Formats: sequence, C-alpha cells, structure tokens
Amino acid sequence: RKEVEQDPGPFNVPEGATVAFNCTYSNSASQSFFWYRQDCRKEPKLLMSVYSSGNEDGRFTAQLNRASQYISLLIRDSKLSDSATYLCVVSGGSQGNLIFGKGTKLSVKP
Amino acid sequence: EAGVAQSPRYKIIEKRQSVAFWCNPISGHATLYWYQQILGQGPKLLIQFQNNGVVDDSQLPKDRFSAERLKGVDSTLKIQPAKLEDSAVYLCASSAPSLTSGYSYEQYFGPGTRLTVT
Repeated sequence: RKEVEQDPGPFNVPEGATVAFNCTYSNSASQSFFWYRQDCRKEPKLLMSVYSSGNEDGRFTAQLNRASQYISLLIRDSKLSDSATYLCVVSGGSQGNLIFGKGTKLSVKP
Repeated sequence: EAGVAQSPRYKIIEKRQSVAFWCNPISGHATLYWYQQILGQGPKLLIQFQNNGVVDDSQLPKDRFSAERLKGVDSTLKIQPAKLEDSAVYLCASSAPSLTSGYSYEQYFGPGTRLTVT
C-alpha cells in the first residue's frame, strides 16, 4: 500500500461547480496533514493545513478522519484560477519530513 | 522577503555525465530539503538537512547522488553519473524552526531545476 494515495483524476468541471478530492494515508502515526497546490510547471505551495475538527478557508474546506486515515478537500464555487494539481501531504517519520501523494489534477472550464 | 533560489533552472546532459544543482534557502531557515519530482508524481524527499547536519537521507541513492550544506546555508546536490531515470525536476525547499517544537512542516519551495538526461 502506498503511503499517500489520491484520486488519480483528472477532474474536469465547469466554473461554479463543487469538487471534492479524497486521500488516504497508511501511517497511523502521522500527526500533521496538509493540502498543497501545484500549478503547471511551478513549485508546490501550501494551500492549507488539515485539522481533526475540520477547517475552512473561504471556498476551501478540509476534513480529516483519523480512524479511517482519510483526508478530503472540498472546493465550492470553482474558479478558472483553481485549475492546478492538488497534492495531499502527511507528516513522515523525521521531524519536519513530509510525504506527498501523486496529486490530483483539476481543470475548471468556462 | 526573498524566496528559495535555485540554479540552474534547466539542464540537459547525456547519461553518465555529472551535474550539480545549487540552492539558497530563505534567510533564517534552518531546515533544507531536496526533493525529486518525476513527471506525474508527487515530490519525493531525497535528503533533509537541519543546519549543516543530515536528518534524513534514507531515500537518497548514495551510489550516485550526494548533497552537502557545509555552512548551514547554501546547499548543492550532485549526480554522478547520471542515468536516464534521473530525468525529473529537483526541488529545494526550506522551513523555519518552530519556537515550540524546533521544526516546522510549512515548507517553502524554490522554482526547481528541470533535468533532462539523454
């Protein structure tokens, strides 16, 4: 089983749609969870951290289920500018170490 | 605030040649990471430095890859000799120490070096 698994995508959605990404992780000892965004041919950038209680940042909502080792990201009212690859990331063994999923590509169409 | 700097941005070499990449982290960031990102994959950690010491190099192919951070600031990553499967983007990232835990998961990435091995 891979350490971090994501929906393979790509997701092609119209503007204004709601889209959800799912992710599972294998290491039950992981303590920290994140979503990073990567634009085409650019570097990854932190989108948001994921907390057990769930957290929201504008149109973006992240959820964590530790029992199921499952993370999700919901994007409401999709914009063209949301088109990117979304990387699910969990903390690894070493301090500050991150393990990245393969990413799910989102294309928002007019 | 200046971001993470990397050079070169692009490099094309033939297999069995050597190549080196350079990274300058954000000022004050004690932790520096080198990642390899193959097309269609997420970044994979190669090596993690805390100041000038190695924290994790378990996924670094040590028969051909080496990295150093001699003065705890800049870092270089070298591949010698290169193989076709080393074609990838090499990303450098840095993070600032946390006041509570001494480390942070918020990593800032440089633009990467796109390596093509022919």
